[in-house]
Amino acid sequence: GAGVSQTPSNKVTEKGKYVELRCDPISGHTALYWYRQSLGQGPEFLIYFQGTGAADDSGLPNDRFFAVRPEGSVSTLKIQRTERGDSAVYLCASSRSGLNTEAFFGQGTRLTVV
Amino acid sequence: GQQVMQIPQYQHVQEGEDFTTYCNSSTTLSNIQWYKQRPGGHPVFLIQLVKSGEVKKQKRLTFQFGEAKKNSSLHITATQTTDVGTYFCAGTTSGTYKYIFGTGTRLKVLA
Repeated sequence: GAGVSQTPSNKVTEKGKYVELRCDPISGHTALYWYRQSLGQGPEFLIYFQGTGAADDSGLPNDRFFAVRPEGSVSTLKIQRTERGDSAVYLCASSRSGLNTEAFFGQGTRLTVV
Repeated sequence: GQQVMQIPQYQHVQEGEDFTTYCNSSTTLSNIQWYKQRPGGHPVFLIQLVKSGEVKKQKRLTFQFGEAKKNSSLHITATQTTDVGTYFCAGTTSGTYKYIFGTGTRLKVLA
């Protein structure tokens, strides 16, 4: 596709459930970022992939959060045992090579944990 | 840890007035990017600054990177209603690809 695609656009889940959020980056972009944005705040860094490997996962809040990018393209953010505090918009961004290049954001997945 | 603050948090201006938002980092940055996010939308890249003291212009927008590479500013001349949104800076430090976003400045333009 022409841009970064994230699915689903909205996800409502019950506390304690497992969720997967998908990101389809721009074709050919090797760098992929996941951010989390709460209302009225700036995007909060979660994890950065260069190719298939997680180059920096220091932003993942705890071990309930995990992300993969097995073939260096599509990425999945996985959240186990969801909590109400996980409710936010999860944004994915991709760029050609990472540092010093423009990042293109997807529309985000709005996660609501009830 | 690294913190990036922006001021002001909110700004209401009359259409045609100028607007400036300031970005301050607790640590020296290797580069800084600016993004605009419209209400209900996602961040859209505006520009990147890399060099100390760098100034870049895009039509009515002027971006500056401080000499010490710890602060930056975005100035909009003669605002228009299409400038409405939240402006974020995002900086990274040497040796890392992690961009830390600022707190954002929400701009409202009154027609």
